[in-house]
Amino acid sequence: AQKITQTQPGMFVQEKEAVTLDCTYDTSDQSYGLFWYKQPSSGEMIFLIYQGSYDEQNATEGRYSLNFQKARKSANLVISASQLGDSAMYFCAMRETGNQFYFGTGTSLTVIP
Amino acid sequence: DAGVIQSPRHEVTEMGQEVTLRCKPISGHNSLFWYRQTMMRGLELLIYFNNNVPIDDSGMPEDRFSAKMPNASFSTLKIQPSEPRDSAVYFCASSARDFTGSYEQYFGPGTRLTVT
Repeated sequence: AQKITQTQPGMFVQEKEAVTLDCTYDTSDQSYGLFWYKQPSSGEMIFLIYQGSYDEQNATEGRYSLNFQKARKSANLVISASQLGDSAMYFCAMRETGNQFYFGTGTSLTVIP
Repeated sequence: DAGVIQSPRHEVTEMGQEVTLRCKPISGHNSLFWYRQTMMRGLELLIYFNNNVPIDDSGMPEDRFSAKMPNASFSTLKIQPSEPRDSAVYFCASSARDFTGSYEQYFGPGTRLTVT
């Protein structure tokens, strides 16, 4: 089974609108971490946001928030007030015990002016 | 603070040649990861080290690939002999191995390898 599943290969959003990028995960660990990374066309991988498995509140970082639903094993990224610079690939990732990381296949987001 | 440093940034080589990619992790980080990224296969974990010890190398495609981490501040990924299908961007990433915080992976800028 895939550890991280991102079912949206491509998404479009109007500038200034909010967008949700989906991510589901699979683990039997009790302690794990969930991450989102952004990869713009320039190629670098940029860390956006983190959610720990024991965190009861959803993580937020500026315009980014992580909608964490533990029972559903989902960790969706919400970007509010989209900007043209948000156009990029977005990767969901999970860290398990032992510091093993797993990445999803990514979602390509295009912000339309 | 310096981030993860990779060299070279670009490498063009002929099939059959040996290629060595280098990585310097962030000081104090004790986990290091090598990834390969292609359009066809996405981001693939090749190998990762904890405290300089290889923990999981199941992603290494074949015996032509080898990775070493002789000390906490240096790692190499070697391909010998190289083949055109090895053309990809190779990322090195490091993180601190601790469970009290997020300890995200910090990625280097990548090495774009082209094998002709």
